[in-house]
Amino acid sequence: QSALTQPPSASGSPGQSVTISCTGTSSDVGGWNYVAWYQQHPGKAPKVMIYEVSKRPSGVPDRFSGSKSGNTASLTVSGLQGEDEADYYCCSYGGSMNFVIFGGGTKLTVL
Amino acid sequence: QVNLRQSGPGLVKSSQTLSLTCAISGDSVSSTSAAWNWIRQSPSRGLEWLGRTYYRSKWHSDYAVDVKSRITINADTSQNQFSLQVNSVTPDDTAVYYCAREFGGVATGTFDPWGQGTLVTVSS
Repeated sequence: QSALTQPPSASGSPGQSVTISCTGTSSDVGGWNYVAWYQQHPGKAPKVMIYEVSKRPSGVPDRFSGSKSGNTASLTVSGLQGEDEADYYCCSYGGSMNFVIFGGGTKLTVL
Repeated sequence: QVNLRQSGPGLVKSSQTLSLTCAISGDSVSSTSAAWNWIRQSPSRGLEWLGRTYYRSKWHSDYAVDVKSRITINADTSQNQFSLQVNSVTPDDTAVYYCAREFGGVATGTFDPWGQGTLVTVSS
């Protein structure tokens, strides 16, 4: 099971929008609607921001949205705020044997 | 509100066994709508799913291929907790270990909540 591919970094100014991609294969990201996105601040446990591609848990601002096209899932953060600066990880059903795989992570910087 | 509280040693010697426990409050380890997972994170490996246990008429366990031969995840219904054991550890097993509840089905990758994390260092 190979890790999902994410860009190592992304950035944007306050108020702007930024999109982070997560590329897999037709066996994982592209084959199922089980993609989640996690936000992690330094020293903290990850927090789910999006699940099942585009669903937002209660309490997560609607500035966070998710989508998928083919084998690539995307997380968009609109109206960037300083508190959004964190590492973001995607996660997908691995396609077999009940595996789950993570992306390598993207460090989001708010300029 | 569901909370997970991890416990276990932060230092393990090479070739020995790493053991961690995750105590559950606000849910049941026997829940048929959740699965109970262990995930680790290190600078070299990033986030790595290790395995899970869950109850669906009987107990099941799934393990990642890379660690399958060395790990065991068990549920303890009397204490409402689950545990992780990793045998024959090496310095490469040094990581922050997290427990997490998976909801929405098995292998959905939707983990919430997470435990507080335990830094486990394997000394050579």
